[in-house]
Amino acid sequence: EIQLLESGGSLVQPGGSLRLSCAASGFSFSSYAMNWVRQAPGKGVECVSVINSAGIHTYYADSVKGRFTISRDNSKNTLYLQMDGLREEDTAIYYCARSAGTYTNNPLHYWGQGTLVTVSS
Amino acid sequence: EVVLTQSPDTLSLSPGERATLSCRASQSISSSYLAWYQQKPGQAPRLLIFGASSRATDIPDNFSGSGSGTDFTLTITKLEPGDFAVYYCQHYGTSPATFGQGTRVEIK
Repeated sequence: EIQLLESGGSLVQPGGSLRLSCAASGFSFSSYAMNWVRQAPGKGVECVSVINSAGIHTYYADSVKGRFTISRDNSKNTLYLQMDGLREEDTAIYYCARSAGTYTNNPLHYWGQGTLVTVSS
Repeated sequence: EVVLTQSPDTLSLSPGERATLSCRASQSISSSYLAWYQQKPGQAPRLLIFGASSRATDIPDNFSGSGSGTDFTLTITKLEPGDFAVYYCQHYGTSPATFGQGTRVEIK
């Protein structure tokens, strides 16, 4: 069974940092591109960042560029999102999602249940 | 950046009725890179359709997708109680992918 388990979400002050993790199991992690997608309370979904299977190519939404860093450790089957310079508008549920293939231009086939990040003073 | 605009924002229908959801792209896109997702309250989105018209694994055949260029459609032929949810279209031809704002299908 394919599982994606996010962790690391919490309450943080504006300007603070947080690192999210996503532990993957049930598939060959190193063969698939991975994504972070967020959803602010009562709002739609936004793809924040994506990384290809080898971890070489990364892409970011303009809203987080320069503040967030996506990475992966294929030896640990784990995806990460380092979030710096957090703003109140970053408050959201953050989902880890597996692409349908190796490259980043694939639909999001499997999703985790999400971890809540709240940015507030 | 491709902007996706979905219509209507909310669709009020009764069980058994047909639902037609629209997704319009700000520029012509390849149908190979258009997907639809369903999201129920408290759950993550679920992939329904990819490549504009291919159903994902375990998606029933009352869900169908069509379209090309800038206009795409998700059709639910006969609404069941479990189909009342929010639906998003997505363009994944560029990275990161972009989503439409969503259409809520609610019980009339």
